[in-house]
Amino acid sequence: DIQMTQSPPSLSASVGDRVTLTCRASQVINNYLAWFQQKPGKAPKPLIYSASNLQSGVPSRFSGSGSGTDFTLTISTLQSEDFATYYCQQYNSYPLTFGGGTKVEIK
Amino acid sequence: QVQLEQSGTEVKKPGASVRVSCRASGYTFTNYGVAWVRQAPGQGLEWMGWISPYTGNTNYAQKLQDRVTMTTDTSTSTAYMELRSLRSDDTATYYCARESSSTSADYWGQGTLVTVSS
Repeated sequence: DIQMTQSPPSLSASVGDRVTLTCRASQVINNYLAWFQQKPGKAPKPLIYSASNLQSGVPSRFSGSGSGTDFTLTISTLQSEDFATYYCQQYNSYPLTFGGGTKVEIK
Repeated sequence: QVQLEQSGTEVKKPGASVRVSCRASGYTFTNYGVAWVRQAPGQGLEWMGWISPYTGNTNYAQKLQDRVTMTTDTSTSTAYMELRSLRSDDTATYYCARESSSTSADYWGQGTLVTVSS
């Protein structure tokens, strides 16, 4: 199975900050990498697919980059509604696997 | 608009089975796969498996392979996930999601809480 490792597990930031989250795969996943945002008690919300493509309706302050095994999610200007937990997922091969998540908290 | 509507909360005893449904609307059901993902309280997301409504092909997480069955009813655009021999560590919120090989899971159901307790 492909292991997905996210770092940091949590971070504290302020509204207006630029935030970068990292996701590393245990093997090459050919950019089949998705990012999801989840708030407490809610279903995950898709943000990005194929490492860098925004899902429909996702604000442009979110961006994804990376290739091979190393990927990042960047929030250019953190908004109050962005405080949540973020998960990456590889969908290159079965079983699909998620990272452990990064919780973005208010400083 | 695309919607996935899941069945309601379940409370089961250890050893029992549970079946969660996921009714899709707003798109052609057979054009996309359906994934099932669960989340134990306070924990991360766990992929359980996938089914193609078009072919009926499935792919299950190895740790659940002996206890899970995913099916679909194309006449009602509904996907089902059955989990047998329930244990306390199966207590979780179960999600269905529309999935494609290019965009991954792009629409999710609201989740179904399954509690396993004696």
